[in-house]
Amino acid sequence: DAKTTQPPSMDCAEGRAANLPCNHSTISGNEYVYWYRQIHSQGPQYIIHGLKNNETNEMASLIITEDRKSSTLILPHATLRDTAVYYCIVFAPEGAQKLVFGQGTRLTINP
Amino acid sequence: DTGVSQDPRHKITKRGQNVTFRCDPISEHNRLYWYRQTLGQGPEFLTYFQNEAQLEKSRLLSDRFSAERPKGSFSTLEIQRTEQGDSAMYLCASSLEGYTIYFGEGSWLTVV
Repeated sequence: DAKTTQPPSMDCAEGRAANLPCNHSTISGNEYVYWYRQIHSQGPQYIIHGLKNNETNEMASLIITEDRKSSTLILPHATLRDTAVYYCIVFAPEGAQKLVFGQGTRLTINP
Repeated sequence: DTGVSQDPRHKITKRGQNVTFRCDPISEHNRLYWYRQTLGQGPEFLTYFQNEAQLEKSRLLSDRFSAERPKGSFSTLEIQRTEQGDSAMYLCASSLEGYTIYFGEGSWLTVV
């Protein structure tokens, strides 16, 4: 079973910041928070990951709370092409673990 | 393109036929994963390899399914005696141990 909880759907206006929350209250010390997204009919695309510090790359920012029990993915200037299902996954890549996907959040960017 | 490559991208087969999907991982990636995804659901883990060794198989991988990675590079997923319930997208992914997992574009299977 997935170890994360996400809202099933969210809407955001084009050009605004999209903030996608994720709860992972049972995260272990060696587990990272990973975010992927899946645009219709395509394979999941890696976005960003972090352990405990906030992270930023060219796609998004990841804010992880100090207790690591929740995080927020931020798409700073959402475009229509950001419409997708976003998955938050806790994962320890060093161990014999695989990614366990939940239902994710279906993000719709509206013009 | 140096990403994960899957072939064929789409396959339509009659019930009872065998199908095989191929996955070429990112060069030097020693871990290779197979997932299945049906409409409206998130990807479900099927199996994974570290080099040529198959280290874990899901209960979803019935006796009709077999995966191989003979030389630790490309992998094949074969489905024997296909059933309509096998219709899904089959995803392959790869990684270096300890690093991010990257997915291919998937192979769509339709069993008629």
